[in-house]
Amino acid sequence: GNSVTQMEGPVTLSEEAFLTINCTYTATGYPSLFWYVQYPGEGLQLLLKATKADDKGSNKGFEATYRKETTSFHLEKGSVQVSDSAVYFCALSSSYDKVIFGPGTSLSVIP
Amino acid sequence: SQTIHQWPATLVQPVGSPLSLECTVEGTSNPNLYWYRQAAGRGLQLLFYSVGIGQISSEVPQNLSASRPQDRQFILSSKKLLLSDSGFYLCASSPLRGLNTEAFFGQGTRLTVV
Repeated sequence: GNSVTQMEGPVTLSEEAFLTINCTYTATGYPSLFWYVQYPGEGLQLLLKATKADDKGSNKGFEATYRKETTSFHLEKGSVQVSDSAVYFCALSSSYDKVIFGPGTSLSVIP
Repeated sequence: SQTIHQWPATLVQPVGSPLSLECTVEGTSNPNLYWYRQAAGRGLQLLFYSVGIGQISSEVPQNLSASRPQDRQFILSSKKLLLSDSGFYLCASSPLRGLNTEAFFGQGTRLTVV
């Protein structure tokens, strides 16, 4: 079945550092890929998405590129801020099946 | 886009008491509906998944049940709560089929069983 694997956290970075959170997936067909963010005490919000191979999703300085050859969708940001501290979830959606989430990666950014 | 209404936001219940959490969806028809539980500092645990009225898949054997009496209403219940039922409960919705779109989440219910 479909699955999503992402790097284990927690990740702690200093403000303005470069961020990479790795995500790889297993799926049949041509899934869409997503990154969600969850701030403390809140539900999940969609951060960005990509619907086909080589698409780049971007939002709020975050980027991720849909790499079909490596089945990856790594999240990157060039300069993180304290306000980026949250839990990040990689996810995929495939036709006629439920959305699948990775285990989440907790990010803490310290001033 | 879809809007997910979930209530209450917080709930403190004694062990052995019943539970009913409700979730309603606006902005779509025939959605897939999900109930997740999230323990502190942990990932999402899928509890129930529904593709239509009265159609519920249970992902994890437990003390909880779910019902879908209307197309855009999803209810999580328990007859007798356990301490281990404490957690953050999230309702989510995604289009039923064929569109590969994202899931939309409610704001969650923080349940503490005492």
